[in-house]
Amino acid sequence: RKEVEQDPGPFNVPEGATVAFNCTYSNSASQSFFWYRQDCRKEPKLLMSVYSSGNEDGRFTAQLNRASQYISLLIRDSKLSDSATYLCVVTAYNTNAGKSTFGDGTTLTVKP
Amino acid sequence: DGGITQSPKYLFRKEGQNVTLSCEQNLNHDAMYWYRQDPGQGLRLIYYSQIVNDFQKGDIAEGYSVSREKKESFPLTVTSAQKNPTAFYLCASSRQGGYNEQFFGPGTRLTVL
Repeated sequence: RKEVEQDPGPFNVPEGATVAFNCTYSNSASQSFFWYRQDCRKEPKLLMSVYSSGNEDGRFTAQLNRASQYISLLIRDSKLSDSATYLCVVTAYNTNAGKSTFGDGTTLTVKP
Repeated sequence: DGGITQSPKYLFRKEGQNVTLSCEQNLNHDAMYWYRQDPGQGLRLIYYSQIVNDFQKGDIAEGYSVSREKKESFPLTVTSAQKNPTAFYLCASSRQGGYNEQFFGPGTRLTVL
């Protein structure tokens, strides 16, 4: 079983739709969580950190469920420009002060 | 502007040759990382460094080597021992601790012919 698992998709949604992605992690010692966005053949870019209390940034909402060991990303009112691959990142602390594990990503295509 | 630069963007090499990928950052970050990404796959950690003159192997370090002589620079050498080196290589940096968000350079696409 992978340390971090994401549904690869693809998710194909119309403009204006609401879409949600989940990401499960296996290491209960994980402490930091992030969502990144990666466009085709480009580097990943930080979308948002995920806090225990949940956080929102415009149309994007991220949540953490420690009991069930998953994080989620909700995108409301999808835009064509949201089409990308979304990577979740989980960091567990060790003696070397943290090592991040990336999920394989979920691909989203927003269609007109 | 602060950021991370990687060069070159595209690199072609013959099989059996060593090649060094450059990564420089001016964000004053202590930690730096190298990842490899294959088509349709996630990022896999090759090496990381939390401080100058110190680095640790990641999950797929075999066939790679690094150095960290300066805070700003973390070059990666892909040696001839790496069996399947063709991939997209990404360098990242973060504030010290590893649990902080990482910022990525634009990547280098290496093709071994």
